[in-house]
Amino acid sequence: GAGVSQSPRYKVAKRGQDVALRCDPISGHVSLFWYQQALGQGPEFLTYFQNEAQLDKSGLPSDRFFAERPEGSVSTLKIQRTQQEDSAVYLCASSLLASRASGQYFGPGTRLTVT
Amino acid sequence: KNEVEQSPQNLTAQEGEFITINCSYSVGISALHWLQQHPGGGIVSLFMLSSGKKKHGRLIATINIQEKHSSLHITASHPRDSAVYICAPSYGQNFVFGPGTRLSVLP
Repeated sequence: GAGVSQSPRYKVAKRGQDVALRCDPISGHVSLFWYQQALGQGPEFLTYFQNEAQLDKSGLPSDRFFAERPEGSVSTLKIQRTQQEDSAVYLCASSLLASRASGQYFGPGTRLTVT
Repeated sequence: KNEVEQSPQNLTAQEGEFITINCSYSVGISALHWLQQHPGGGIVSLFMLSSGKKKHGRLIATINIQEKHSSLHITASHPRDSAVYICAPSYGQNFVFGPGTRLSVLP
């Protein structure tokens, strides 16, 4: 497809489970971003990759959150020992340039519900 | 920390009305994005601008760097414009999202 895709679209996890969320950016896009969007809020930055390098992970809320992009394309956001406060939509975006100010293309998001 | 405010928070308009959504931020920026988020979470980037004005179809975005203010205008609004519009200034290595303005356009 031409856009950013994410899977799964919906995920229900029991508290304490580990989850893995996948992002397929647009082919050739250098930059990849993960955002967390709580209900009724704007997205909040989690982490940023330039190719396979994770240049900024300052937004990750705890050490239970881990992201990787080992080959500079597909990225996975992993959340260990999920908590109820992790319930949110997780958005992935990619951009062509190695600049955080360039236009970003967003995926549809993964809605995570922790019960 | 860059504080981003949008107004109004919620807006209901009749089809055909001219709509303005405002965004103000507290820290000097390198660029500002306007994003559209439809129900279900999908986000589309509408504009990226660093000065002046841009137009795309019925959408117009303006920015005043000195006043740290941007506006998004929709002319001849249509029910399909109903969405959340998010202002997102970027500065240095940071990219901050505003809280969004929820727009409903009634037929």
